[in-house]
Amino acid sequence: QVQLQESGPGLVKPSGTLSLTCAVSGGSISSSNWWSWVRQPPGKGLEWIGEIFHSGSTNYNPSLRSRVTISVDKSKNQFSLKLSSVTAADTAVYYCARHDDLWNFFDYWGQGTLVTVSS
Amino acid sequence: QSALTQPASVSGSPGQSITISCTGTSSDVGSYNLVSWYQQHPGKAPKLMIYEGSKRPSGVSNRFSGSKSGNTASLTISGLQAEDEADYYCFSYAGSKVFGGGTKLTVL
Repeated sequence: QVQLQESGPGLVKPSGTLSLTCAVSGGSISSSNWWSWVRQPPGKGLEWIGEIFHSGSTNYNPSLRSRVTISVDKSKNQFSLKLSSVTAADTAVYYCARHDDLWNFFDYWGQGTLVTVSS
Repeated sequence: QSALTQPASVSGSPGQSITISCTGTSSDVGSYNLVSWYQQHPGKAPKLMIYEGSKRPSGVSNRFSGSKSGNTASLTISGLQAEDEADYYCFSYAGSKVFGGGTKLTVL
């Protein structure tokens, strides 16, 4: 059973950089899946942020592309998210998830972690 | 504004059937059968309910079904139960990967 666990600071200052890591267990990050980040502002809907393949190939949401970097560490079986120049609008629960790119679905999700942008 | 349009809310009584729509365009939903659906209870991570338009993952009740007509994908829940009350999201390619705006299902 694949499990994903997000970790990182729960509070980030405005204009700073949000950094999160997703540890994958029960499966290899070098599988044929892509690994994604999804966020959900309080009381609002889901937003796809971007994804990475174990080779390092990435795809990003066009609306966030200028501020997002997703990277992978195969030796630690984990991948990471960096979002720069954050504002209060970036306050959200951030989820990591495994994506089947062939049939376009997320089959495993982390529990989510709340990141608040505030001074 | 999401590129995939869902009704903000739907409701139904126990035992009834409801349908949630997810409308895209001929370039995305209309061209591919790659819509997936997710159920999300408050404070929980989303759960995959339907993929490839109409397929159910192992463990998902057969009360949940998916279909597509033209540019609109649909999720139907039959025999509505109290535990079905949740938010539901569709997901597809629409230029980029995108979720629908979400639909709150209320079981009366």
